[in-house]
Amino acid sequence: DAGITQSPRHKVTETGTPVTLRCHQTENHRYMYWYRQDPGHGLRLIHYSYGVKDTDKGEVSDGYSVSRSKTEDFLLTLESATSSQTSVYFCAISEAGGRENTQYFGPGTRLTVL
Amino acid sequence: SQKIEQNSEALNIQEGKTATLTCNYTNYSPAYLQWYRQDPGRGPVFLLLIRENEKEKRKERLKVTFDTTLKQSLFHITASQPADSATYLCALEGSSNTGKLIFGQGTTLQVKP
Repeated sequence: DAGITQSPRHKVTETGTPVTLRCHQTENHRYMYWYRQDPGHGLRLIHYSYGVKDTDKGEVSDGYSVSRSKTEDFLLTLESATSSQTSVYFCAISEAGGRENTQYFGPGTRLTVL
Repeated sequence: SQKIEQNSEALNIQEGKTATLTCNYTNYSPAYLQWYRQDPGRGPVFLLLIRENEKEKRKERLKVTFDTTLKQSLFHITASQPADSATYLCALEGSSNTGKLIFGQGTTLQVKP
């Protein structure tokens, strides 16, 4: 998984609680992404970052926020988790965010919101 | 509306045969298209990238074609093996030069010995 770790790998939480997922990379890549993967929907982009403190929204950003204070760390926060946010979350990194943007994925975090 | 579609039905083939997976898209004009492999419980792994001006790209037993007129990419695995069993995802650039990839839902390939 190319120098990318995600923590925690599994989490069960209750509706209404805040949750933070962490993505850590050792590749010094500029771009980092958070996706969620659900049956019937495939991978969908939540937020991405194109540098320290530079972030932008993806396709399904409602209910999520992100922060990137260091090159190596990209945090995804669910301010108040809902059952619809039960999913598998993947972090990805990329050296080049524009053309030929090959992405390398972490192992995923399985989140269950009860 | 914009769509990227892969056959949601699993593809079952016999070992040694060629597997062909399809990726169709509408209302996109991608500069390139990518294919990824995903094994159960793991993140996707990049396999191949093909640019809009390339008709075909090969890597070992893998071959990808890209027809911008038909808005279609085909992904072939020749001499398939049980170890090729996985879900294969296609992805394209959602809007010009943003780096945002849009993924298809993936097609699951099962290669039987």
